[in-house]
Amino acid sequence: ETGVTQSPTHLIKTRGQQVTLRCSSQSGHNTVSWYQQALGQGPQFIFQYYREEENGRGNFPPRFSGLQFPNYSSELNVNALELDDSALYLCASSPADITDTQYFGPGTRLTVL
Amino acid sequence: AQSVTQPDIHITVSEGASLELRCNYSYGATPYLFWYVQSPGQGLQLLLKYFSGDTLVQGIKGFEAEFKRSQSSFNLRKPSVHWSDAAEYFCAVGAPDTNAGKSTFGDGTTLTVKP
Repeated sequence: ETGVTQSPTHLIKTRGQQVTLRCSSQSGHNTVSWYQQALGQGPQFIFQYYREEENGRGNFPPRFSGLQFPNYSSELNVNALELDDSALYLCASSPADITDTQYFGPGTRLTVL
Repeated sequence: AQSVTQPDIHITVSEGASLELRCNYSYGATPYLFWYVQSPGQGLQLLLKYFSGDTLVQGIKGFEAEFKRSQSSFNLRKPSVHWSDAAEYFCAVGAPDTNAGKSTFGDGTTLTVKP
């Protein structure tokens, strides 16, 4: 069974640029959640996708957007990057059941200069 | 809105000693509660979860946690710490009408283990 994978591992961008981060969910999981983890803080919920539809969003501006594909992999897009967007971005997948465990990928470290 | 407080930013214990990491939550009803561990350069791994029933929950790697409704707490314990337990630990809370993917996390407690 393949776990959750994310790409790229590290990324450096400059302010104002756009970035796309990718996540492959665990086999059999149709729900993907994205989190932002700033240095020294806990993960913050960005949004969740369930069967290709957004299924809840945290307190993040519209320049954070996402997609989920028919194979349940997902993308996180961030436009007009700001310095404060520098963080570890985590993806987690889970079955749709309300109580189910979510499985995290290793994350993408984004640095905005 | 739900929130989580982990009062201890950093804890140091000796190998073989017992451990307790504190977690307090704010939520209007009985929430779903989780503890995760994050090792350097790695994603989060679930240690244990509480949804209902027995308030003492057993997890992986010898960890347990106790849900205390009267204190709005969900503290993590381990009777004997191993050097490999050094990591960052996060408590998280979820609303029962959603799923685990929409959890709110605390800011974590860093555990250092002395030889």
